[in-house]
Amino acid sequence: KNEVEQSPQNLTAQEGEFITINCSYSVGISALHWLQQHPGGGIVSLFMLSSGKKKHGRLIATINIQEKHSSLHITASHPRDSAVYICAVDQTSGSRLTFGEGTQLTVNP
Amino acid sequence: DGGITQSPKYLFRKEGQNVTLSCEQNLNHDAMYWYRQDPGQGLRLIYYSQIVNDFQKGDIAEGYSVSREKKESFPLTVTSAQKNPTAFYLCASNNRDGFDQPQHFGDGTRLSIL
Repeated sequence: KNEVEQSPQNLTAQEGEFITINCSYSVGISALHWLQQHPGGGIVSLFMLSSGKKKHGRLIATINIQEKHSSLHITASHPRDSAVYICAVDQTSGSRLTFGEGTQLTVNP
Repeated sequence: DGGITQSPKYLFRKEGQNVTLSCEQNLNHDAMYWYRQDPGQGLRLIYYSQIVNDFQKGDIAEGYSVSREKKESFPLTVTSAQKNPTAFYLCASNNRDGFDQPQHFGDGTRLSIL
């Protein structure tokens, strides 16, 4: 079992829909990251959080440390949101990021 | 604008050849990382460097080598000992103060075997 699990693996939505991507982890962490990878391959860091909730534009990230779970929400989705969304954690016992396999999001017009 | 530049974007290698992937950053970051990405798998750490002239093996270092002679540069050599080098390679950097600092990524290099 991977230390970081994302669901769903693939997600197709219609423009305007509310989207949720989930991330569960099985290790102790100091921080959790949400990343966005566009079709060309470049990766952008969206959020880094260790508790609570963060919001940036139409994106919201939440984390529940007790339940070892995080969610990334996209409100009023748009085709330009189509990308792979990756969850990664900083383990308290280690010195490197551990990545989930990513969620491929496709938003159709 | 500050950022990370990886080159080339696409690279082809013949069997038995070594190839070097370039990674340059002008963010004044101390730490730099190389990751490999394969379909259906999360990014895996190949090597990382927290300071000039020092680097550490990651989870899949076999068949790879790196150098860190300058703060802004962290080239990765894929040697002929790497049996399955076809993959997408990403370079990243962040401040030395912690692995929990956001990492800035380059646009990647896609390596294929001819």
